Amino acid sequence: KAGVTQTPRYLIKTRGQQVTLSCSPISGHRSVSWYQQTPGQGLQFLFEYFSETQRNKGNFPGRFSGRQFSNSRSEMNVSTLELGDSALYLCASSSSVRAGGSYEQYFGPGTRLTVT
Amino acid sequence: TQLLEQSPQFLSIQEGENLTVYCNSSSVFSSLQWYRQEPGEGPVLLVTVVTGGEVKKLKRLTFQFGDARKDSSLHITAAQPGDTGLYLCAGAWVGDYKLSFGAGTTVTVRA
Repeated sequence: KAGVTQTPRYLIKTRGQQVTLSCSPISGHRSVSWYQQTPGQGLQFLFEYFSETQRNKGNFPGRFSGRQFSNSRSEMNVSTLELGDSALYLCASSSSVRAGGSYEQYFGPGTRLTVT
Repeated sequence: TQLLEQSPQFLSIQEGENLTVYCNSSSVFSSLQWYRQEPGEGPVLLVTVVTGGEVKKLKRLTFQFGDARKDSSLHITAAQPGDTGLYLCAGAWVGDYKLSFGAGTTVTVRA
């Protein structure tokens, strides 16, 4: 089974621009979550989509948004980029079956975003 | 506020030595997951523990879930350079399925 894929792998943008990142989940997985990883803050949850609906949201400003398509592929958009948005953005997919109280996350390789 | 703490933050050992990484919370987890992340890649799921007192083994890795489900440990026996990476624990607290990640432990195994 193919893993989670993310495009692009690397991106350099200028302050004030916007960016769109793409994620294709494992076949059959309907949940896609997005995370931001930085050296200072670690892995922080952005939002989760399930069957094209946002099911959960972290504590990030409205500049961060996402969507999911009918084929479960997801996109994340960041508008008006700031220097602090430089990070590794990770997408993870999960099946509908819980292990205990949570869903096991299968991560993609991430998109490294640098804002200059 | 529910916090998930990992310790130590960094660990550097010689090949063949043993190491233990800890994950603690003041609240009860419904389940806990351990991941390993290598540079330039996303985290890879190692194990999920669900039952208090549970012990799971994955080759040289042993995972333990505390009886009260507030803590967990990862023990690596006879570490190898291939064990080098960032080890992350992620827990879901009772009543919430969303995962919260610890800050991670960076493990370096020197040949």
